[in-house]
Amino acid sequence: GEDVEQSLFLSVREGDSSVINCTYTDSSSTYLYWYKQEPGAGLQLLTYIFSNMDMKQDQRLTVLLNKKDKHLSLRIADTQTGDSAIYFCAERIFSGNTPLVFGKGTRLSVIA
Amino acid sequence: GAGVSQSPRYKVTKRGQDVALRCDPISGHVSLYWYRQALGQGPEFLTYFNYEAQQDKSGLPNDRFSAERPEGSISTLTIQRTEQRDSAMYRCASSLATDPYEQYFGPGTRLTVT
Repeated sequence: GEDVEQSLFLSVREGDSSVINCTYTDSSSTYLYWYKQEPGAGLQLLTYIFSNMDMKQDQRLTVLLNKKDKHLSLRIADTQTGDSAIYFCAERIFSGNTPLVFGKGTRLSVIA
Repeated sequence: GAGVSQSPRYKVTKRGQDVALRCDPISGHVSLYWYRQALGQGPEFLTYFNYEAQQDKSGLPNDRFSAERPEGSISTLTIQRTEQRDSAMYRCASSLATDPYEQYFGPGTRLTVT
């Protein structure tokens, strides 16, 4: 079955790097996504990676995918207080425009 | 351009009443998805549409929940005879029909059943 696991909390100091980890169970996942949810706001799509890629970099964000271990990570360089939010990992299992399966989210707290 | 909009943003209703939640997707987006998010959880899939056709409704919890998208644009999620356990954030997303099928979410409707 489909299952996406994330650790629930992460605390880092401002200026340090944050690494948020995610594991998924379905090896047929086609795309994997990272969303950010700030208090009282909707889900904001941060970045995504196609399953045949190992890494994707987008400004301060680096996504690493280890397909063998079904492990996905999001690294935020130079973490700022504005990065404090809940980060959700999500997988799309089937090709085409199909629903996403989300993890429970990791709450990132940035200490000034 | 305009993002996904949902209305109402907040809805408080008494147990047993019917509610209708509305989603207006990004213009030109073929697909529309409904998710439900309980406190401390990630969004869980309810149902989705391509154009006006409902593709999958396997996530709807029971037959009190229904959804429609009659003209392939705005969608309505209806919950009949609401129960307290229906209280949650209901989120709508839309996407194009091309890779990577990025789903863009609306602000959500917070439903409270008293």
